[in-house]
Amino acid sequence: EVQLVESGGGLVQPGGSLRLSCATSGFTFNNYEMNWVRQAPGKGLEWVAFISISGTLMYYTDSVKGRFTISRDNAKNSLYLQMNGLRAEDTAVYYCASDNPGVMEFDYWGQGTLVTVSS
Amino acid sequence: GPTQPPSVSKGLGQTATLTCTGDNNNVGNHGAAWLQQHQGHPPKLLSYRNNNRPSGISERFSASRSGNTASLTITGLQPEDEADYYCSSWDRGYVFGTGTKVTVL
Repeated sequence: EVQLVESGGGLVQPGGSLRLSCATSGFTFNNYEMNWVRQAPGKGLEWVAFISISGTLMYYTDSVKGRFTISRDNAKNSLYLQMNGLRAEDTAVYYCASDNPGVMEFDYWGQGTLVTVSS
Repeated sequence: GPTQPPSVSKGLGQTATLTCTGDNNNVGNHGAAWLQQHQGHPPKLLSYRNNNRPSGISERFSASRSGNTASLTITGLQPEDEADYYCSSWDRGYVFGTGTKVTVL
């Protein structure tokens, strides 16, 4: 059974930092590209970041460039998102989602972890 | 990113067609995937590039594209089809559509 389990969310003050993790199992993690996608309360989906299989290629949405860093550890089948300089507008449920390169995107999703940025 | 109508309402058993209007940089060049999201749950992939369905997705869901507009057609609407639907494409990173809430009357 494929599982993606996000953790690390919580309440943080503006300007603070959090590191999200996504632990995966049930599929060959080092054959998949990975993404972070977020959803603010009552809003639509917003793609946040992408990382290639090797971890050498990353893309970010403009609003998080310079603040967020996506990374992965293929030996641990895990994906990470380091979030610095958090703002109120970063408040959202953060999902990790996989891409099967050359085949399909967003095929597996985790249940999400809530990040709340507030003083 | 691509634009979707905010809501679509159809009767039980009817057909709903959802649209996703992008531009030459995203939908027109890269096509679109479609995802379904029920309240309180993560999204689920319904259709991916070249309008294919992942394993386990009902044939009642079919996708197509014409130029810069992608479409998702849901035939024989069922109560469980009531959900939010998003298209996604690529434009120097992934982009999601604005989402359409489908109501089954």
